[in-house]
Amino acid sequence: NAGVTQTPKFQVLKTGQSMTLQCAQDMNHNSMYWYRQDPGMGLRLIYYSASEGTTDKGEVPNGYNVSRLNKREFSLRLESAAPSQTSVYFCASSEVGQGWGSGANVLTFGAGSRLTVL
Amino acid sequence: GDSVTQMEGPVTLSEEAFLTINCTYTATGYPSLFWYVQYPGEGLQLLLKATKADDKGSNKGFEATYRKETTSFHLEKGSVQVSDSAVYFCALSNYQLIWGAGTKLIIKP
Repeated sequence: NAGVTQTPKFQVLKTGQSMTLQCAQDMNHNSMYWYRQDPGMGLRLIYYSASEGTTDKGEVPNGYNVSRLNKREFSLRLESAAPSQTSVYFCASSEVGQGWGSGANVLTFGAGSRLTVL
Repeated sequence: GDSVTQMEGPVTLSEEAFLTINCTYTATGYPSLFWYVQYPGEGLQLLLKATKADDKGSNKGFEATYRKETTSFHLEKGSVQVSDSAVYFCALSNYQLIWGAGTKLIIKP
C-alpha cells in the first residue's frame, strides 16, 4: 500500500541545471499537488492538478513547470535551477480538489524530496 | 481572503503535560478544518478533521473542536508523550486549501 511515492529523495544541483521530480499515487485520486516547504514559511502551493488533463498555478509557480502525465503521475520540472529553489518538495493527492469545502478534501503526502541548488 | 493563524513554536513540554496548540481562522462560508502532523523526516499526515461548527475531531488522544463563534480550532491532548514530538499544521478547506505556518512541538522525557 504505497500511497504517494516521490523520487528522488535527495538531489544536489548546480545553478542553471534542470531536473524533474516524479510523483505517483496508487489511490485513484483525482487531484494532485506540489508544495514546497521552507523554514518558517509553512507549505506553499506551487502547482496543482484538479483532475487528469488540467493543471493550475498555485502561490509560487515561477521557475517551475508541471505535467499531469495520467491519473497516477504528476511531475514537477525545474528548467533552470536557482539557489532560491533550495527546499523540501512534497507531492500530495486527494480524492476531490480544492474549492469543495468538504471534509473529503483530505490530502495524502509523499515523504518529500530535499533539493539543494548550489 | 481566507487565512489560518497558529501559535508560534517551538512549544516545549515535559512528558505527560497537557498540550494546547492554538489555531484561529478567517473565512467566508463554512470551511472544513484540519490538523495535520509531520514527524521528523516524513511527509504530512492527517491527524483529525471537523466539517461543521461544534464538530469535535479526535485521533490518537488529540482533540479539536470547531468553534465558529470564536473562529478557532485549537488542538489539545491531555498527556503528551515523547513520540508526539513533531510539527503540527492547522488548515482549512473552503474555496481553496489554506495552511497555517506550523508549530513545532518538542516533548522532553
